[in-house]
Amino acid sequence: GQQVMQIPQYQHVQEGEDFTTYCNSSTTLSNIQWYKQRPGGHPVFLIQLVKSGEVKKQKRLTFQFGEAKKNSSLHITATQTTDVGTYFCAGSEGAQKLVFGQGTRLTINP
Amino acid sequence: ETGVTQTPRHLVMGMTNKKSLKCEQHLGHNAMYWYKQSAKKPLELMFVYNFKEQTENNSVPSRFSPECPNSSHLFLHLHTLQPEDSALYLCASSTIAGIFYNEQFFGPGTRLTVL
Repeated sequence: GQQVMQIPQYQHVQEGEDFTTYCNSSTTLSNIQWYKQRPGGHPVFLIQLVKSGEVKKQKRLTFQFGEAKKNSSLHITATQTTDVGTYFCAGSEGAQKLVFGQGTRLTINP
Repeated sequence: ETGVTQTPRHLVMGMTNKKSLKCEQHLGHNAMYWYKQSAKKPLELMFVYNFKEQTENNSVPSRFSPECPNSSHLFLHLHTLQPEDSALYLCASSTIAGIFYNEQFFGPGTRLTVL
């Protein structure tokens, strides 16, 4: 079945450093979504990517969808303490349900 | 607030108890989901309902029984649970358009502890 792998599982950075999390699918995806879950909170939708090679930006966050639509990345420039949380990718294969990655937990040293 | 509410927010139950979790969405969505979140499996899909019809049962034990009486309400009935079922149970809703499952809106979750 479809699997979505996310690395790294944990990442600790100094405030101001950059952060990247990677998402890889065993199959070609029709779309990929990214979510953020703050400690003690629930997942909140960030963005959806649909097109091969698509790049989208939200302020300091840059999202990419691979050319083969089997991988994606989220890059945060100059992290801030408000970026703390777990970042999940979720991929869908055609009309199939979303499959979530294991998440990358980001902690930041102020 | 995301427009998805869940009650109760916390629940402690014994292994012989029967309880129900409730989810309500006020967003006009046509799909609703139950997820289990634990340290072992961060976001594990349990059930999917599309226009009140169950379209996914992700090999969930029968001690978990979902019910979707209408497109705005979703229940998860619990009976004879095991301590390993202790977790955060998240409800979510979304629209489904064509082949795309659109962005999911999550509720705050029910923190379940089974003694």
